[in-house]
Amino acid sequence: RKEVEQDPGPFNVPEGATVAFNCTYSNSASQSFFWYRQDCRKEPKLLMSVYSSGNEDGRFTAQLNRASQYISLLIRDSKLSDSATYLCVVNESGFNKFYFGSGTKLNVKP
Amino acid sequence: DAGITQSPRHKVTETGTPVTLRCHQTENHRYMYWYRQDPGHGLRLIHYSYGVKDTDKGEVSDGYSVSRSKTEDFLLTLESATSSQTSVYFCAISEARGQKVNTEAFFGQGTRLTVV
Repeated sequence: RKEVEQDPGPFNVPEGATVAFNCTYSNSASQSFFWYRQDCRKEPKLLMSVYSSGNEDGRFTAQLNRASQYISLLIRDSKLSDSATYLCVVNESGFNKFYFGSGTKLNVKP
Repeated sequence: DAGITQSPRHKVTETGTPVTLRCHQTENHRYMYWYRQDPGHGLRLIHYSYGVKDTDKGEVSDGYSVSRSKTEDFLLTLESATSSQTSVYFCAISEARGQKVNTEAFFGQGTRLTVV
């Protein structure tokens, strides 16, 4: 069983749409949670951390449900530049190891 | 951007030859990681280091070894390259702040390795 599971997509949406990605993780001891963005043939870059109370950064909202071991990312008013692969990442404390989902591909169309 | 440099950026090598990839950081972060990324698998941890000379295996460590003789450098060696090790390799760094709160990982630009 994978540590972190995501729907690979692709999600094909028009500009201005709202799109949501979900991810589940298997280790209940996980302590830190993140969403990364990866453009084609580039390195992953941090989009936002995910906090228990939920957090928002402009058009992006992240939620964490520890009871269900579930993380979500909501993108409002999608832009063409949002087209990328979004990686769900979970960190276990102690050894500080990061586990990555396979990524969800988003294509925003004009 | 975090100061992480991977070298080489691209390499083509023959089956059976040894290959060493280098990751160099200027952030003085404690933790360093080597991942490989393949279609359909996402990023998989090969080895990681939690300090100088302190390393441990990840989920896909067979065929790979690592060394960290100083804080800033983390080397990944393929002792005898095979075609299944054709992949994109990413180095990452991280610094833990306290017992429970971990900071994010920062990535190098990647090394594209082809084994023919």
